[in-house]
Amino acid sequence: AQTVTQSQPEMSVQEAETVTLSCTYDTSESDYYLFWYKQPPSRQMILVIRQEAYKQQNATENRFSVNFQKAAKSFSLKISDSQLGDAAMYFCASRNSGNTPLVFGKGTRLSVIA
Amino acid sequence: GAVVSQHPSRVICKSGTSVKIECRSLDFQATTMFWYRQFPKQSLMLMATSNEGSKATYEQGVEKDKFLINHASLTLSTLTVTSAHPEDSSFYICSAGRTGWVHEQYFGPGTRLTVT
Repeated sequence: AQTVTQSQPEMSVQEAETVTLSCTYDTSESDYYLFWYKQPPSRQMILVIRQEAYKQQNATENRFSVNFQKAAKSFSLKISDSQLGDAAMYFCASRNSGNTPLVFGKGTRLSVIA
Repeated sequence: GAVVSQHPSRVICKSGTSVKIECRSLDFQATTMFWYRQFPKQSLMLMATSNEGSKATYEQGVEKDKFLINHASLTLSTLTVTSAHPEDSSFYICSAGRTGWVHEQYFGPGTRLTVT
């Protein structure tokens, strides 16, 4: 069974600074995908970034980047130049290949301090 | 981008009644949809996988007779909470992946259910 662990219930960062959210996962599959989702107060799930396990290169989306360490089963999210709008719950998730469901971590609540 | 809608966005019902939640993929076909439940300050937990034209697959601990799922078309899945009780009060979210394109799933905006 897949598991996703987020060990930081809460994090805070000063505006314009950089923060890293941690995530570890476990799976017996060789083909899988990893995601970071943002959930603002509206509770709409927003995809932040996606990483295919077969790709060695770390995914990047503007101010968001990941550090994917496949052997260590680690998938951290780095947010650069943090903005007030980045404040939200962040969920790390994984799923196997095919049209399979997501398995979520418990989430990290990020606060951004002006 | 692909859009998934849910209706209603919030509903209040009395204990013992049933309520139906609709999940629609507006601009793509979805062979499979997923239903999640999220309690306050908790993560999303998968309830069931909804497959078009066949029976849903329920996660362990989810009562299939209480949470009825119907996926009658490639764009619509419904979740009916039967004989609702206050402990069923939660936020219900659906997601769908494009048929034939499995890299990303798209989430609906969720439905807040309150059972009084």
